[in-house]
Amino acid sequence: DAKTTQPPSMDCAEGRAANLPCNHSTISGNEYVYWYRQIHSQGPQYIIHGLKNNETNEMASLIITEDRKSSTLILPHATLRDTAVYYCIVRPNTGGFKTIFGAGTRLFVKA
Amino acid sequence: DTGVSQDPRHKITKRGQNVTFRCDPISEHNRLYWYRQTLGQGPEFLTYFQNEAQLEKSRLLSDRFSAERPKGSFSTLEIQRTEQGDSAMYLCASSSNRKRGDYNEQFFGPGTRLTVL
Repeated sequence: DAKTTQPPSMDCAEGRAANLPCNHSTISGNEYVYWYRQIHSQGPQYIIHGLKNNETNEMASLIITEDRKSSTLILPHATLRDTAVYYCIVRPNTGGFKTIFGAGTRLFVKA
Repeated sequence: DTGVSQDPRHKITKRGQNVTFRCDPISEHNRLYWYRQTLGQGPEFLTYFQNEAQLEKSRLLSDRFSAERPKGSFSTLEIQRTEQGDSAMYLCASSSNRKRGDYNEQFFGPGTRLTVL
């Protein structure tokens, strides 16, 4: 079973920030938080990952709470092309570990 | 394009037939994963290879399923005696444990969509 809980769907207006929450209250000390997204009919695409510090890249920002029990993925200026299913995953960062996906959050970006 | 490729992209078959899918990982990646995804669900792990060795298999991988990676490069997933319940998207991913630092990103291919009639 997935170790994360996400809302099934969210809406966001184009140009506004999309904030996608994820709960991972049973995360272990050696587990990282990863985010992937899947646009319709494509394979999942890596977005960002982090351990305990906030992270930012060209796609998004990841905010992890101090107790590491939850996190938020932020898309700063959502576009219509960001409409996708977003998956929050926790797993160790070393070793050939499989990725256990939940159902994710379906984000709809509306014009 | 140097990403993960899968062939075919779509396969329609009749119940009881055998099908085989191919995955070509990113060339320097030594790890390869197969997942299955049904409509409205996240991908489910099936199996994982490090080089040519199959190191883990999910309980989802019944005796009708077999995966190989004979030379540690491309991989094949075969389904024998297909059933309608096998209809799904089959995704392949690859990663490398040789990358410096704490990084184990899995890169996914576009998937093979199987429809069993």
